[in-house]
Amino acid sequence: TQLLEQSPQFLSIQEGENLTVYCNSSSVFSSLQWYRQEPGEGPVLLVTVVTGGEVKKLKRLTFQFGDARKDSSLHITAAQPGDTGLYLCAGDPPGTYKYIFGTGTRLKVLA
Amino acid sequence: NAGVMQNPRHLVRRRGQEARLRCSPMKGHSHVYWYRQLPEEGLKFMVYLQKENIIDESGMPKERFSAEFPKEGPSILRIQQVVRGDSAAYFCASSSGQKNTEAFFGQGTRLTVV
Repeated sequence: TQLLEQSPQFLSIQEGENLTVYCNSSSVFSSLQWYRQEPGEGPVLLVTVVTGGEVKKLKRLTFQFGDARKDSSLHITAAQPGDTGLYLCAGDPPGTYKYIFGTGTRLKVLA
Repeated sequence: NAGVMQNPRHLVRRRGQEARLRCSPMKGHSHVYWYRQLPEEGLKFMVYLQKENIIDESGMPKERFSAEFPKEGPSILRIQQVVRGDSAAYFCASSSGQKNTEAFFGQGTRLTVV
């Protein structure tokens, strides 16, 4: 069974600080997605990474896919209160089209 | 997540009743996924369907739960004889089914069993 473990599980920081969220697995994934979910809403796709070692930037967010395609990180620079939410990583194991979701990181950015 | 429509947004059922949750995928998408989310938790995969086919139902409870995606109309997740433990948010996502394509989510149906 493929599992995606996210750390930290909870994170509360002050506006302007930097943070990194990790998504780790012992399994290989064909691709990996990051989503953000706000209370009462569905997850919204932020980015997809496909190639081992790939780095993608989305404004203040930097996403990296591990060389072995087993792990990923999300780095937020100068966090803002609007970044508050649940961040989820999801991967699709080779040979399947099933997305396995990580355990989630709840981020709270205080003004 | 614009385009994936789920209804109802909120559903209240008494124990023992049936719950039907509907999901209309994004235009051009023929693959649907259902996930369950308990409060303060991540999403748990339930089932993956193509039109008229169940591809992977490894996350579905063996009893009371069923899913379909007919040739015409929305995908339906059906829960028979609901119990309090079925209370959760149920999310549907759709994709085109191409490799490495993204899945887009609906806003979910929040089921409350009283």
